[in-house]
Amino acid sequence: KQEVTQIPAALSVPEGENLVLNCSFTDSAIYNLQWFRQDPGKGLTSLLLIQSSQREQTSGRLNASLDKSSGRSTLYIAASQPGDSATYLCAVRPLSSGNTGKLIFGQGTTLQVKP
Amino acid sequence: EAQVTQNPRYLITVTGKKLTVTCSQNMNHEYMSWYRQDPGLGLRQIYYSMNVEVTDKGDVPEGYKVSRKEKRNFPLILESPSPNQTSLYFCASCARTGSYEQYFGPGTRLTVT
Repeated sequence: KQEVTQIPAALSVPEGENLVLNCSFTDSAIYNLQWFRQDPGKGLTSLLLIQSSQREQTSGRLNASLDKSSGRSTLYIAASQPGDSATYLCAVRPLSSGNTGKLIFGQGTTLQVKP
Repeated sequence: EAQVTQNPRYLITVTGKKLTVTCSQNMNHEYMSWYRQDPGLGLRQIYYSMNVEVTDKGDVPEGYKVSRKEKRNFPLILESPSPNQTSLYFCASCARTGSYEQYFGPGTRLTVT
């Protein structure tokens, strides 16, 4: 059974710091991995999608890497800003999900960037 | 603007009073699904639909119904809501070709008293 773990559960950093959020999954048989951002009272915003054949994806100050064989992904945020404060969720789409398209989510990392 | 919309965003209701949460997407996506998010349990899939008139159960379907009569809409129906269905609900959609990137709606916070 696929399980997704995100460590740490919470993180507080000063503004300007570069930081890394970690995601691990137990089964490497995945279609893709997606990173989301969730703001309080709001929905999930897709940040980056990495296909199983890819190693990394970049968008602005965000860089996500995928090491499928070791079951790990990292989300790197450069020069963090207070506006980056949110909960970051990692989700994998297992090959076993077939036509369900089901995503398996981690519990998230709640990030606070202090001015 | 490509988006998934949900209504209502907030709902407080009483046990047993039927309700429907609507979901609509404007991206012509074939695939749509519903998730609920609960503290300590994360997001769990309730139902999904691969296309019009094709729906199936996810991991936690008890107490819910869905229908897919049009490609853009995928309503979630609670025939007799109970307090354990108090949760934050998300609708999602994606295309069945290409990147399979999933797009989520803004969420519906439901409280059943």
